[in-house]
Amino acid sequence: SQQGEEDPQALSIQEGENATMNCSYKTSINNLQWYRQNSGRGLVHLILIRSNEREKHSGRLRVTLDTSKKSSSLLITASRAADTASYFCATDAASNYQLIWGAGTKLIIKP
Amino acid sequence: EPEVTQTPSHQVTQMGQEVILRCVPISNHLYFYWYRQILGQKVEFLVSFYNNEISEKSEIFDDQFSVERPDGSNFTLKIRSTKLEDSAMYFCASSEGVSPQHFGDGTRLSIL
Repeated sequence: SQQGEEDPQALSIQEGENATMNCSYKTSINNLQWYRQNSGRGLVHLILIRSNEREKHSGRLRVTLDTSKKSSSLLITASRAADTASYFCATDAASNYQLIWGAGTKLIIKP
Repeated sequence: EPEVTQTPSHQVTQMGQEVILRCVPISNHLYFYWYRQILGQKVEFLVSFYNNEISEKSEIFDDQFSVERPDGSNFTLKIRSTKLEDSAMYFCASSEGVSPQHFGDGTRLSIL
């Protein structure tokens, strides 16, 4: 089954604005993680939120998790041109190690 | 900061040939993984490896694929009898515990 569906698929905003991306999943999870991928590059781990947590902050990043709705959001505040990338959520289920990935949100920050 | 390194960054191979993709995980990590990302598609789990054996594998990871930790530092993915549809980015990851997983920059595999 598909996990970690992000929306929107693409988001284009002005530098300085906030960017919000959402992720939904289907099965019970241990953790939900957000990763960034610059074009043609690897996956950079941004933040991990555990299933018993509701909100987590890291610098300009804020992640929320609603296990009743099986959804998460990633907020990037005061966006910068360097934030231009694709953002993926990935979940690991209670029973195994593999990460299940969404299709990603392509974020473009216009200077 | 320690990183996962992958070589080569780009591999071009004729269909039917065998390829070996190499990874050096972060040194104190115990769990190792391979994922692939076909162009424009989602990242897909292939296999996880712990304590010198496969702990989990996906349906994609059939007899064409194998993994090995030949020494204390390298972790390899071998693909035999490559097909056109094996063309993808292949990512290696490692983790100290189960999460978070740290990824390399990937190997772009092109099958001609």
